[in-house]
Order: sequence, then C-alpha cells, then structure tokens
Amino acid sequence: EDKVVQSPLSLVVHEGDTVTLNCSYEVTNFRSLLWYKQEKKAPTFLFMLTSSGIEKKSGRLSSILDKKELFSILNITATQTGDSAVYLCAVKAGTASKLTFGTGTRLQVTL
Amino acid sequence: SAVISQKPSRDICQRGTSLTIQCQVDSQVTMMFWYRQQPGQSLTLIATANQGSEATYESGFVIDKFPISRPNLTFSTLTVSNMSPEDSSIYLCSVEDPLGEDTQYFGPGTRLTVL
Repeated sequence: EDKVVQSPLSLVVHEGDTVTLNCSYEVTNFRSLLWYKQEKKAPTFLFMLTSSGIEKKSGRLSSILDKKELFSILNITATQTGDSAVYLCAVKAGTASKLTFGTGTRLQVTL
Repeated sequence: SAVISQKPSRDICQRGTSLTIQCQVDSQVTMMFWYRQQPGQSLTLIATANQGSEATYESGFVIDKFPISRPNLTFSTLTVSNMSPEDSSIYLCSVEDPLGEDTQYFGPGTRLTVL
C-alpha cells in the first residue's frame, strides 16, 4: 500500500523565520510528487516534482525531490502570516491518476 | 490550469437524507475525481469518474452510498446518500491538468455537516 508521511505535524514560527517541511514516501512505481497549500477548504497547487535534485521555486517557496532517499522538502523563507495553512504532500504512482496524500503539516506564522 | 466550481459551498443536513454535490470545470477533462476530507484528516479518494462509463470506487467506498454521475466532459455530481454524522466532511472535486501535465487541481470544496 502506498504511504506518504509528513513531518512535523504542526509548527509555529515567528514572521520572518525560514521553515522546512518534510515529506517521505513509500510507493510502487513512483511518478510524481505534488505539494499543495490548504487554507480553508480547497488545496491550492504549489509544485510538482518528478526529477531528483531539480529545485522548483516560486517566490519565497521552493521544493526539491530526492528519489534515492524517497523524500521531498518544501522551504518557505521570510515567512509571513499569510503563509499560515496546512501544507499537503501527495504522490502519484504507476499509471494511475490517483493522489495519495500525507497527513499534512499545519504551519502557523505569528507576529 | 483549470477553473473548477462546486455547489453547494456548504450545507447542514439531517441524518437519513441525501445531498448531491455538483462540480463544473471550465474545460473538457477526461477524468474527474472526488475526494473526502474528514475533520482533522487528510484527503482520501472516493472515486474516479470517466465520462461515458461507471465510476471506479476506492476500497471502502461503494456506489450505493456515493453514486456519481458524469454526463459530459465538464460536469460531474456526487451524491452522499442516507447520511449519518460520520459523513460530515469536506468533499472536493478534482481534475487533472487539461493540457496533459501530471498536475491535479481542486475545486473550492463542499463542507457538509450532518446532524
């Protein structure tokens, strides 16, 4: 059974801090890993990673994948209160389109 | 990307009743997905809906409880039948990128509370 584990489960930081969120996975025939930000109901797409060692970057957010060690990290620099959300990691495997999600990391950024 | 709308945004229902959730996409897509997110939990796939064929359900979900329609390439409905308080969740519609990228986008979700 495919498995995705995120850590930490929750995190409280001060505005301006840098955070690193972790996602490890155990799947058969890995295809891609996706990161989402969920503030209220709808997960918002952040990144899709398929190749090891290639950093994806968008503003203060960046992510990288290590297919040998089976994990990904999501970095957020100079955090702002608007970054407060649940960050979800999901994996696609084989030929299926199904996403297997981790439990998420709840990030709270305080003033 | 794809623009997805869902109706209703939220609802409060009595146990034993049924609710149909609608999902509309702004472009034609082959597959549409329905996920459930129970309180404090992550997302779990209920079923995959292809136009013109029966939906494919994940383990633990059955058609009698969650019937799905997919009448065309831009629309789908999910019905939550004979509801109980355990069905209180956020229900999310999702589609793959219409341009063929291996990305998946989510609708705004329906927050269902069953009393």
